[in-house]
Amino acid sequence: QQQVKQSPQSLIVQKGGISIINCAYENTAFDYFPWYQQFPGKGPALLIAIRPDVSEKKEGRFTISFNKSAKQFSLHIMDSQPGDSATYFCAGSGAGGTSYGKLTFGQGTILTVHP
Amino acid sequence: NAGVMQNPRHLVRRRGQEARLRCSPVKGHSHVYWYRQLPEEGLKFMVYLQKENIIDESGMPKERFSAEFPKEGPSILRIQQVVRGDSAAYFCASSLTRDRAMNTEAFFGQGTRLTVV
Repeated sequence: QQQVKQSPQSLIVQKGGISIINCAYENTAFDYFPWYQQFPGKGPALLIAIRPDVSEKKEGRFTISFNKSAKQFSLHIMDSQPGDSATYFCAGSGAGGTSYGKLTFGQGTILTVHP
Repeated sequence: NAGVMQNPRHLVRRRGQEARLRCSPVKGHSHVYWYRQLPEEGLKFMVYLQKENIIDESGMPKERFSAEFPKEGPSILRIQQVVRGDSAAYFCASSLTRDRAMNTEAFFGQGTRLTVV
């Protein structure tokens, strides 16, 4: 059973535009929601993360919006740059006392930013 | 500060052979996780180990797959009698703690790309 659903599968944005990726989760016991960025041939790297006690977290051009009642969260990339072109994964963890390193990932979104 | 080191980066095995994937966690990290990424799919959790112990293997196939994290040396993911469906990228991650804390972050290695021919 897929516990984290991510959309869209792929996204094309012009340089300077806003990229928005959405995720919905099923497991209400999750209490840690990271976003990972992965470049081809590389491992995922943590981009930004949020806990459900806040509704928004911003780090530079990256913002997570979190809606606990809807069980949804999203990543916004402002002023998107060609260097942001990568695959982005949302995830949830921390359910039922499990380790926070045990992550349930979404399917991923391939972001392409055209110059 | 060395990150998570995985080797080999690429591994080719014939059907029926054994594959051994190694992972050295970030120095000081005692929590290790293995994930599998099939082509054009997200990462799927396989197993969580802490030094000398398997904590959670709920994502591990019941047959042919095993993992260990000995007191000394790297964590090993072993796949016996490989089949074509085992072809994937296998990622190892490590963390300092398992609890809700500032240093919860799981750091990923660059992965081992296994091809079964």
